[in-house]
Order: sequence, then structure tokens, then C-alpha cells
Amino acid sequence: GENVEQHPSTLSVQEGDSAVIKCTYSDSASNYFPWYKQELGKGPQLIIDIRSNVGEKKDQRIAVTLNKTAKHFSLHITETQPEDSAVYFCAPDNYGQNFVFGPGTRLSVLP
Amino acid sequence: EAQVTQNPRYLITVTGKKLTVTCSQNMNHEYMSWYRQDPGLGLRQIYYSMNVEVTDKGDVPEGYKVSRKEKRNFPLILESPSPNQTSLYFCASSLVGDEQFFGPGTRLTVL
Repeated sequence: GENVEQHPSTLSVQEGDSAVIKCTYSDSASNYFPWYKQELGKGPQLIIDIRSNVGEKKDQRIAVTLNKTAKHFSLHITETQPEDSAVYFCAPDNYGQNFVFGPGTRLSVLP
Repeated sequence: EAQVTQNPRYLITVTGKKLTVTCSQNMNHEYMSWYRQDPGLGLRQIYYSMNVEVTDKGDVPEGYKVSRKEKRNFPLILESPSPNQTSLYFCASSLVGDEQFFGPGTRLTVL
């Protein structure tokens, strides 16, 4: 089945710095690449996604880059704020088949 | 309001006592899924459904049953719960190959 890894597993940054989380996957048929944010006590929520025909997508302080050849995609957060502190999950998808979430990255933004 | 609802939100039960966790969505999504979340293990898929009367096993289906008789509902059934099924459970729905919308979670304790 699909093997999904995330690095790092924990990340601490100073407020205002940038954060980058990388997700690697094994299923070359994956064609949808989302990132979810989970705050304490809540369900995960989509923050940004990208499809396989696009290399990069940006939404204000958040961006996602995709390298399909190398089978990895990354989440970039610039100008981090305390409210960015959460657990982030990648979840590469192939039309709902063999769907696996990454193990998660705990981001702490220090004031 | 577009949403996924789960009931109950909290449940304490005893080993062997059958229980059902309900999940309902109002977005006309084909795809519905159940996950369990345990510390250090991330989100693991239990079962998923691509449409009415179509269900399939995820990564950790043992001890669980599901049914999809209507498009909006996807109940999770534990016929004989055991303590190792103590966990936080999330239901999610989406269009196939698109953003997943998660319910608020059900915290289950099996004594």
C-alpha cells in the first residue's frame, strides 16, 4: 500500500520565521496532494492543496510545491504566527483509493 | 451550513457491549470514511465508501463494521468493543479525489 512519510516530525520556529514540512509518498498514481491542519480538540481542516498538473500553489502566507518525479510535496508557511501552531498532515490521494495520511508534524511557533 | 456531524461526541462503554457511532453529511458527497486517531500513530483509515452500498476496508478494519444504505449516512459499528478500540474517531466526507471535510470527532473509551 501507499507509504507516506513527513519530515520533520516536530518543528519549532520563532514568530515571523518560515516553516517547511516535507511529505514523501510511494504511490506514483497519486494525483491530489492536500495539507491539513489539526488544532487541539478539532478535526483536521484543509489549508491548501495542489493537483498533479501544477508545480506550485500559493495562498497568502501558505504555499505548496510538488515534485511528482521525486514523489514529494512540501508545505511552506512564511511569517509564522502563534495561531499557526498545530499538527499538520499530508494526505496524497489517488481518487480515494489506497488513501493514507502522513504521520503528522507538530509545529510550534514561539512568541 | 455544510457540515459533517457525528454522534455521540463522547462515549464510555464496557467490553463486549455493541455500539454504533453515527455520521451524517449534508454536502451530497459520494466518498465517506472513518478514521481513528491514536497518540503517535496519526490518522488511520478504518473503512471507506465510494458510494451507496459500496464499502471497502482501510488500513485497520478489524473489529469494525460499516454500512452505507443512504448517501448521507455512514455509521460505524463495533459489535464487541475491546479496550484496544479506545480512541478518537473521525468521520469525513468528500467528492472523490477532493478535499475531505471532517466531523468533530468521537472520543470512545472501552473499559
